[in-house]
Amino acid sequence: GAGVSQSPRYKVTKRGQDVALRCDPISGHVSLYWYRQALGQGPEFLTYFNYEAQQDKSGLPNDRFSAERPEGSISTLTIQRTEQRDSAMYRCASSLESIGPKLISGANVLTFGAGSRLTVL
Amino acid sequence: RKEVEQDPGPFNVPEGATVAFNCTYSNSASQSFFWYRQDCRKEPKLLMSVYSSGNEDGRFTAQLNRASQYISLLIRDSKLSDSATYLCVVSGGSYIPTFGRGTSLIVHP
Repeated sequence: GAGVSQSPRYKVTKRGQDVALRCDPISGHVSLYWYRQALGQGPEFLTYFNYEAQQDKSGLPNDRFSAERPEGSISTLTIQRTEQRDSAMYRCASSLESIGPKLISGANVLTFGAGSRLTVL
Repeated sequence: RKEVEQDPGPFNVPEGATVAFNCTYSNSASQSFFWYRQDCRKEPKLLMSVYSSGNEDGRFTAQLNRASQYISLLIRDSKLSDSATYLCVVSGGSYIPTFGRGTSLIVHP
């Protein structure tokens, strides 16, 4: 697609419910990142993929959080048994190439989607 | 100590002013540096990459100081439309882009 698309844009759920947030990256982008952003803070890394392989999930807060990208394109971030502290903006970003030791002009810049705002009551 | 630190501000400046932000990072092995801009309730967007030799894009100048482990952003002739949050991004040893909390800039008439 033309940009990174995230759905739903807004999700209100009750504590204890599971939620799935979807990200459709820019076509052909190798890397896909999930971040979480609280009000007044910068995006906080959760996990990222190169193609379908999850490269790093060190930012996932606990085992209620999981992510997948089975065909190397669309990704889903799932939060099980949601808690009020999970309320935040969840942002997905993609890049043409993976961030690495060599800065390739334009190729490893992140393009973000509009985000999914999750509210847990 | 946080990996990437920024003064949250806000920096309140008149139109036409020059304003500078700094961002410090803790990992001396960091290789890639960026400034992103985030408007209220919007997603972050790349403003500019930061190269070792420093770089300029119109009214914006970015500098990298590896010895002191900081990057800077200078905005000349501020416009009302420059009002936003400026996010510093550093890729450290793991190469994962790490964001600072952002510096808020308010340009007033």
